[in-house]
Amino acid sequence: GENVEQHPSTLSVQEGDSAVIKCTYSDSASNYFPWYKQELGKRPQLIIDIRSNVGEKKDQRIAVTLNKTAKHFSLHITETQPEDSAVYFCAASNAGNQFYFGTGTSLTVIP
Amino acid sequence: EAGVAQSPRYKIIEKRQSVAFWCNPISGHATLYWYQQILGQGPKLLIQFQNNGVVDDSQLPKDRFSAERLKGVDSTLKIQPAKLEDSAVYLCASPPSGGNTGELFFGEGSRLTVL
Repeated sequence: GENVEQHPSTLSVQEGDSAVIKCTYSDSASNYFPWYKQELGKRPQLIIDIRSNVGEKKDQRIAVTLNKTAKHFSLHITETQPEDSAVYFCAASNAGNQFYFGTGTSLTVIP
Repeated sequence: EAGVAQSPRYKIIEKRQSVAFWCNPISGHATLYWYQQILGQGPKLLIQFQNNGVVDDSQLPKDRFSAERLKGVDSTLKIQPAKLEDSAVYLCASPPSGGNTGELFFGEGSRLTVL
């Protein structure tokens, strides 16, 4: 089955700085890569996603890049704000709609 | 559009007792998942249903966990007997129907504490 690894497990940045979270996957059949944000005690919510036929996608301060050859994808948050503090999960999904999640990155934005 | 409904939100039991969680996915969503999220970890897939059939239950500890979706709508996840390591949040999720891969919509989760 798919194996998704995520780094770092914790990340602290100063407000206004950028944050980068990286994930690797093992199954070349995976073709959809969502990122979820989970605030304490709440459900994971999708913040951005990318499909395997695209190399980069941007939505305001958030961007995701995908390197299919190397089987890795990254989340980039620019101009971080305190409300960006949360746990972020990457995931990989295949045509069978099976989603495999990374272990999470706890992001703290220091005001 | 109503979201994924789960109950109960919280449950505390002693080890060796049993517990059941209920999920009602978004109307019309054929696929339903149960995930286990242990504190500090990512969601781990327990079982995937397509309508009332099981697609993947390879990571479900079948000696103690069971799940059903008899009418292809709501679903129940049962643990019997519970162990300390079953303490986790149990998340139900469903993606949009009609095509492969798309956003997963999660319920609020059921937080289980086993003492």
